[in-house]
Amino acid sequence: GAVVSQHPSWVICKSGTSVKIECRSLDFQATTMFWYRQFPKQSLMLMATSNEGSKATYEQGVEKDKFLINHASLTLSTLTVTSAHPEDSSFYICSARGTSGRSSYEQYFGPGTRLTVT
Amino acid sequence: AQRVTQPEKLLSVFKGAPVELKCNYSYSGSPELFWYVQYSRQRLQLLLRHISRESIKGFTADLNKGETSFHLKKPFAQEEDSAMYYCALISGSRLTFGEGTQLTVNP
Repeated sequence: GAVVSQHPSWVICKSGTSVKIECRSLDFQATTMFWYRQFPKQSLMLMATSNEGSKATYEQGVEKDKFLINHASLTLSTLTVTSAHPEDSSFYICSARGTSGRSSYEQYFGPGTRLTVT
Repeated sequence: AQRVTQPEKLLSVFKGAPVELKCNYSYSGSPELFWYVQYSRQRLQLLLRHISRESIKGFTADLNKGETSFHLKKPFAQEEDSAMYYCALISGSRLTFGEGTQLTVNP
């Protein structure tokens, strides 16, 4: 089946620094990737949708200058949290959708990245 | 705007008992709904979608447009069904998730 990986699985950084999270589709080409944020005991909230080779579409209330998304290839999207603050601490999850078969309608989720900003 | 509501944050049943996880939605168009499951320490994965009208791991879900519901049901719960379940609605490519129901199946 389709597999999506994320790296790192967890990261601790100091306030004011930037952190990059990678999302990769391992065995399929992902034309669209999605970034979600999940607070403890809460649901997944879509942050942005990115299509390969074009600018990401951000959800209302998500700061595009703070959460930089790059989808440079059909297998890789990155989320960079710039000038991180403690309130950015959260669980970040990516998902990917392909172009054919089941992957054309199903989003495959990564395992998530736990970000802690101290 | 679309919205998905799962009224129960926690649901606990005994093994062998029937289980129903409730999901209601609001959407102006023709909805396409999904159930996702997240087992302990695992990633979110698709359980079933209403278009497929399939039964996965004994679970079924029927779309009721009149009641705007998409409840997930299983006649005989198993301990391995214990997990977090999310109902989701898709619009274009955007998934909107409910808040999730933590199902615990007790032995």
